[in-house]
This record gives sequence, structure tokens and C-alpha cells, in this order.
Amino acid sequence: GAGVSQSPSNKVTEKGKDVELRCDPISGHTALYWYRQSLGQGLEFLIYFQGNSAPDKSGLPSDRFSAERTGGSVSTLTIQRTQQEDSAVYLCASSPGTAGPSYEQYFGPGTRLTVT
Amino acid sequence: AQSVSQHNHHVILSEAASLELGCNYSYGGTVNLFWYVQYPGQHLQLLLKYFSGDPLVKGIKGFEAEFIKSKFSFNLRKPSVQWSDTAEYFCAVIPWEYGNKLVFGAGTILRVKS
Repeated sequence: GAGVSQSPSNKVTEKGKDVELRCDPISGHTALYWYRQSLGQGLEFLIYFQGNSAPDKSGLPSDRFSAERTGGSVSTLTIQRTQQEDSAVYLCASSPGTAGPSYEQYFGPGTRLTVT
Repeated sequence: AQSVSQHNHHVILSEAASLELGCNYSYGGTVNLFWYVQYPGQHLQLLLKYFSGDPLVKGIKGFEAEFIKSKFSFNLRKPSVQWSDTAEYFCAVIPWEYGNKLVFGAGTILRVKS
């Protein structure tokens, strides 16, 4: 079946511009996560959506970052007024639920963001 | 700060050598433990996971890991590596109090020489 998909695969933007990154989770997965993979910081959690609950935004690095999930499916991560330190690979993951021995997060291919 | 530590950043092995990658975490209480692998040009995929029960868990492609609670460790092993195991390996933890957020180690880049 189809895995997690992300678009675009690569994005180059000028400093100060806004960008939107998209994630399509696996169909039926109720939980969706955004992570960031950068050279200096490794893999970091950003934000987590579970069903209709309020998202866990505890990993967002600044108020320039926001995310939404429409209809419990597709998610968009928005970065406003991009800075060079935002350059990273942004990973999306989804899971069928929470907890339990079958729990696993399935990762997408990522969006490589370069801020010039 | 609480964290996940992977002891080796780069490992180079010859084919058929045995592999052990160290992972330690500093969270007390219940944790769920994972090893993910990222092959060149591919996305992260799960190698194995531990939730409860037998502390020796077996994953895909001949990998296994042992959870030693007293040592806060979850080391990854493979008796005989292949060139195709060349990849970056990430240990990850979900501490009970963190909900479902994965906390990753810095990763270990493994290069297997053919």
C-alpha cells in the first residue's frame, strides 16, 4: 500500500520568505508527526497530531513555525520569514494509533529545505 | 538534560564482521525503544522495537537488540554484516511521560567494506 508522502521533495527559498510543506499520511492513520533532521541538531520532534485532540506543539522551535491538519488527514507545516538555520530535512510520520506493541511510526521521504 | 546517546558516530567494518552499536538513554521509568535505519537515498524505516516481555528482540535483516534495564541500554547487534547494511542507524526512545514523541540519538553511520 501507499506510504507516507511528502511534497515538495526539495525546496529552495530566500531568507525571509514563507514556505509550506505538505504531508499525506497513510490512510487510516490517526496520528501524524513532524520531525526535523539537521546537521547540527540531529532528528528533533516538532509537532504531533492525534485524532481530534489539540496538537502537541512542544517541539516547535519558534512562533514562525506552525502546522495544521485538515480533516484528520493531510498536514501542512508552515514556516514564516524563513531563516538560514531553518535549512534541514523535514520529516513527516504517521501511526495507526498510540501505544501498544504494534505501535510504529512510518516515515515519509522528507522535504529538503534550503534557505539562501 | 535527558537524552539518547549513541556511542559511535562512524563505524567501518569488513563484510562478515560482527556489529554492535551502543545506545543508552537517561529516562527513568517506562520507555519504549526502537532502532531505525536510513539507507542511502531512502527514508527512515523501522528495524526493531521493544515494548515489553523478552528483552532480546529480533528485527528485520538479521538484526537484534537487547534491552538491559539496569544499564539503560538497548544495543543493536548483527553477527555478520553485509555490504548492503551500509546505512545510518538511529536509536530512539519514547519515554512514558513524553506521550508518543520519539527522542532520537545522533545516529551512527555504518560503512561496510566489500
